[in-house]
Amino acid sequence: IALTQSPGTLSLFPGERATLSCRASQSVTSSLLAWYQQKPGQAPRLLIYATSRRATGIPDRFSGSGSGTDFTLTISRLEPEDFALYYCQQYGSPLALTFGGGTKVEIK
Amino acid sequence: VQLVQSGPELRKPGDSLKISCQHSGDAFTKSWIAWVRQMPGKGLEWVGIIYPGDSDTRYSPSFRGQVTISVDKSISTAYLHWNSLQASDTGIYFCAAPPRDYYGYFATWGQGTLVTVSS
Repeated sequence: IALTQSPGTLSLFPGERATLSCRASQSVTSSLLAWYQQKPGQAPRLLIYATSRRATGIPDRFSGSGSGTDFTLTISRLEPEDFALYYCQQYGSPLALTFGGGTKVEIK
Repeated sequence: VQLVQSGPELRKPGDSLKISCQHSGDAFTKSWIAWVRQMPGKGLEWVGIIYPGDSDTRYSPSFRGQVTISVDKSISTAYLHWNSLQASDTGIYFCAAPPRDYYGYFATWGQGTLVTVSS
């Protein structure tokens, strides 16, 4: 399953709402989709799994939604530390895990 | 749980290489461990995954035959091995693990190992 993330870059002010899209080439089984945040020089950090479940310690300004082939990560109010790269990943096809190409959220 | 990876490597094309990922904690044999590549300035690519309990191993079609994933249960360590490196293998390789008894999404990550292949 190929994952396409859009937009490639999102330019926003702190305090604004960010909406990131992840579209799959075919339906993701049981909505088994995760989101990660990555900052320069760091490993990715799990934000969301199973489409909408927040990982341990993730603030509630991060939320996930979607089903089938269309999924969304929403950051309700951007904090300075939220400017980073974001990746979606599907694990509904257990023999072929795939990541999206990423969305960069940058300060406007 | 923590995953601690081996240090950066500089190799020539055609060299062999094995990098490691040590798992802390007592659930090594009950937790899948994956490898993920990040080429310079690029996104994340799943390489493959192994279940240390029975060495069940699955590879991305893009990496099958190019690398080998293995484990040493006695020292709670997973490995990624190349027989013959190419310049296109240059990148950061992360190991990652889902929560115990889960599969497919990765709550714990190693710090990454930079592999540079250059003549």
